[in-house]
Amino acid sequence: DAKTTQPPSMDCAEGRAANLPCNHSTISGNEYVYWYRQIHSQGPQYIIHGLKNNETNEMASLIITEDRKSSTLILPHATLRDTAVYYCIVRVVWGSSNTGKLIFGQGTTLQVKP
Amino acid sequence: NAGVTQTPKFQVLKTGQSMTLQCAQDMNHNSMYWYRQDPGMGLRLIYYSASEGTTDKGEVPNGYNVSRLNKREFSLRLESAAPSQTSVYFCASSEAGAGAHSPLHFGNGTRLTVT
Repeated sequence: DAKTTQPPSMDCAEGRAANLPCNHSTISGNEYVYWYRQIHSQGPQYIIHGLKNNETNEMASLIITEDRKSSTLILPHATLRDTAVYYCIVRVVWGSSNTGKLIFGQGTTLQVKP
Repeated sequence: NAGVTQTPKFQVLKTGQSMTLQCAQDMNHNSMYWYRQDPGMGLRLIYYSASEGTTDKGEVPNGYNVSRLNKREFSLRLESAAPSQTSVYFCASSEAGAGAHSPLHFGNGTRLTVT
């Protein structure tokens, strides 16, 4: 199973872009990169996922390097409500079926400051 | 559209007591999951149900049972609670199961303390 490495914490000024890095140097060719976040006392929330192309949705952008060994989650205009723990996850296969096993790790605590 | 709803939000049990954690989703998802979250351990999968009528063990199933009551509801039962089961329990659902990359939608958790 591919492991991920994230910085334990980051700060970002409100209104600025937040760039959250993730290393996954042992990722396999068919493994996707997922990003979730967990706001204090709430369940994890899906943000975005990708395989090798850059992806964008209404919440964020995901930039994956060409060798797929690292990625960056970009929140274009961070707000105070974006303060949360952000998890970079490589999707693994559970047994013979892909059943949603997620290895969350420790994540990055993003503090958005006024 | 409430998403994934878990009840209760908080519970305190004595060792040996039993209880059922309830989970319901209104997104017409096929697959449902139960996770527990402990400090320093991330989220660990307890049981999952790939589709209505099926259930299977995850990483840490011992001490738990589940029931997929219908497409909407997936309950987790502790038959004889132990202090090691003190944790935050999250239910999740996804549109598809096997072979898909559907994102998981989580509830807000049940905080269980076993004394």
